[in-house]
Amino acid sequence: AQTVTQSQPEMSVQEAETVTLSCTYDTSESDYYLFWYKQPPSRQMILVIRQEAYKQQNATENRFSVNFQKAAKSFSLKISDSQLGDAAMYFCAYRIVSNFGNEKLTFGTGTRLTIIP
Amino acid sequence: GAGVSQSPRYKVAKRGQDVALRCDPISGHVSLFWYQQALGQGPEFLTYFQNEAQLDKSGLPSDRFFAERPEGSVSTLKIQRTQQEDSAVYLCASSYRTAGPYEQYFGPGTRLTVT
Repeated sequence: AQTVTQSQPEMSVQEAETVTLSCTYDTSESDYYLFWYKQPPSRQMILVIRQEAYKQQNATENRFSVNFQKAAKSFSLKISDSQLGDAAMYFCAYRIVSNFGNEKLTFGTGTRLTIIP
Repeated sequence: GAGVSQSPRYKVAKRGQDVALRCDPISGHVSLFWYQQALGQGPEFLTYFQNEAQLDKSGLPSDRFFAERPEGSVSTLKIQRTQQEDSAVYLCASSYRTAGPYEQYFGPGTRLTVT
């Protein structure tokens, strides 16, 4: 079974600084997708960034970027120029490449990010 | 357009009662998922629908949990004879496509408290 591990329950960063959230995963699959989701206190989960495992290039979305190390099964999220609105729970998630019926996301336990003004 | 909506947002049930949680996905979204999120944990998969077909129910914790999506749009998660361990936030998510690294759009969740 696939597992996702986030070893940092809480992180904090000064506003405008850079922070990196860690994620490792365990799978025997060679092709899969990885995601970072953000869950603000209102609870609505939103997608931050996604990575396809067959792509060597790390995904980037504005201030958010990932460091995808396939051999190490590591998928960290870097947030640059942190803003107060970035404060939330961040979840790393995994999904196998679609087989009919296997669409579920497997989530880690989350990292609570606090932004210090 | 409107996002995924869920109702009720909060539900308090006495142990042994039956509850029904509703999810309205984004219009036109083929796939619909239910997840259970215990306090301080990440969401855990319960079940998945593609249109009206329930293709994966491997995450349902017991036969007290039942989900349906009869017309391929609105879905209901029913929990019979609720127990304290059922207390959690129940999240619904929908997606337009069934292949590729598509985004699942999440609703705000229903917080169920069993007393």
